[in-house]
Amino acid sequence: NAGVTQTPKFRILKIGQSMTLQCTQDMNHNYMYWYRQDPGMGLKLIYYSVGAGITDKGEVPNGYNVSRSTTEDFPLRLELAAPSQTSVYFCASSQSDTQYFGPGTRLTVL
Amino acid sequence: AQSVTQPDIHITVSEGASLELRCNYSYGATPYLFWYVQSPGQGLQLLLKYFSGDTLVQGIKGFEAEFKRSQSSFNLRKPSVHWSDAAEYFCAVVLNRDDKIIFGKGTRLHILP
Repeated sequence: NAGVTQTPKFRILKIGQSMTLQCTQDMNHNYMYWYRQDPGMGLKLIYYSVGAGITDKGEVPNGYNVSRSTTEDFPLRLELAAPSQTSVYFCASSQSDTQYFGPGTRLTVL
Repeated sequence: AQSVTQPDIHITVSEGASLELRCNYSYGATPYLFWYVQSPGQGLQLLLKYFSGDTLVQGIKGFEAEFKRSQSSFNLRKPSVHWSDAAEYFCAVVLNRDDKIIFGKGTRLHILP
């Protein structure tokens, strides 16, 4: 049981490039989330999903897109990377009240 | 607006000393309350949670937290810290089980040898 896995662990992008952050969970959880974490700012919710085929915006969705074609996977897409998207990104899943987090992806946009 | 506040950005304690991390929330009703820990380079791990019942809850790694309705607080405590407790700690709240979780900004704990 791997829990929540994220790839890649680290990535450097140039301004304007695009990329997809992968997130997979093997706990059959319905709820999945994407957060970004900036120093001293805690976690901010980007997007979330309550089940396959259903996604919704969180607090800071601009510049990101998501899809949820299966229960297991919840990729986060950056279409035109900007320096403001430099951050650590965490994916999480939950079935009821407790969220389980992946190890994170550290993204730098130069 | 609904919010959760962790007043201390950094706290430093000596190994073996007691610890209390503060958390206050502003909600009209009693929310569900959580404490998470984040070790360097890792994701968040749940320490403990409170939904109802006994206001003193026990968690993993020897941590406990006490819910005080009159003070809108849910402070995290440990009687004797270990060097491995150095991490960042996040308080979080959910008003209803189907609502999104809201995290505080975190308290970074430093341990002196």
